[in-house]
Amino acid sequence: KQEVTQIPAALSVPEGENLVLNCSFTDSAIYNLQWFRQDPGKGLTSLLLIQSSQREQTSGRLNASLDKSSGRSTLYIAASQPGDSATYLCAVRPEGGSEKLVFGKGMKLTVNP
Amino acid sequence: EAGVAQSPRYKIIEKRQSVAFWCNPISGHATLYWYQQILGQGPKLLIQFQNNGVVDDSQLPKDRFSAERLKGVDSTLKIQPAKLEDSAVYLCASSHPGTDTQYFGPGTRLTVL
Repeated sequence: KQEVTQIPAALSVPEGENLVLNCSFTDSAIYNLQWFRQDPGKGLTSLLLIQSSQREQTSGRLNASLDKSSGRSTLYIAASQPGDSATYLCAVRPEGGSEKLVFGKGMKLTVNP
Repeated sequence: EAGVAQSPRYKIIEKRQSVAFWCNPISGHATLYWYQQILGQGPKLLIQFQNNGVVDDSQLPKDRFSAERLKGVDSTLKIQPAKLEDSAVYLCASSHPGTDTQYFGPGTRLTVL
């Protein structure tokens, strides 16, 4: 059974810091991995999607890497801003079957001005 | 392009009552998902539809939960009777066939007293 872990559960940092968010998964048989952002009272917004054959994806100040063999992914946020405060969730799509996603519990990020 | 719509946004009921949630996916998205997100947890897939057919309902508690997607567009998720442990946010998502990105609605927050 695929399990996704995100540690720590919460992080508070001053504005301007470069951040690394970690995600690990137990089964390397994945189709892809996604990072989502969730703001209070709102749904999830997809930030980056990495296919299993890729090593990284970049969008603006965000960079996500994937090491499928070791079951790890990192989300790098450059020059953090208060607007980055949200919960960040990692999700994997297991190989085969439906397109269902298996999510981690998320990491609540607070960026202080 | 309009996003995924869900209603109601909030619902409070007593245990053993019934409740229904509605979802309207993005136009043209054949795949629709219902997720349950308990406080402090990542979303868990309850059911996935492809058009009006069920692709995956392996984690749907079928003794109390039911879902339908008539005409392959809108969907309704029902709980009858509700239990205290059903308190959660119910998220609906949709995706276009052949793509990996799921678009999420704002969710319905259910409180069972």
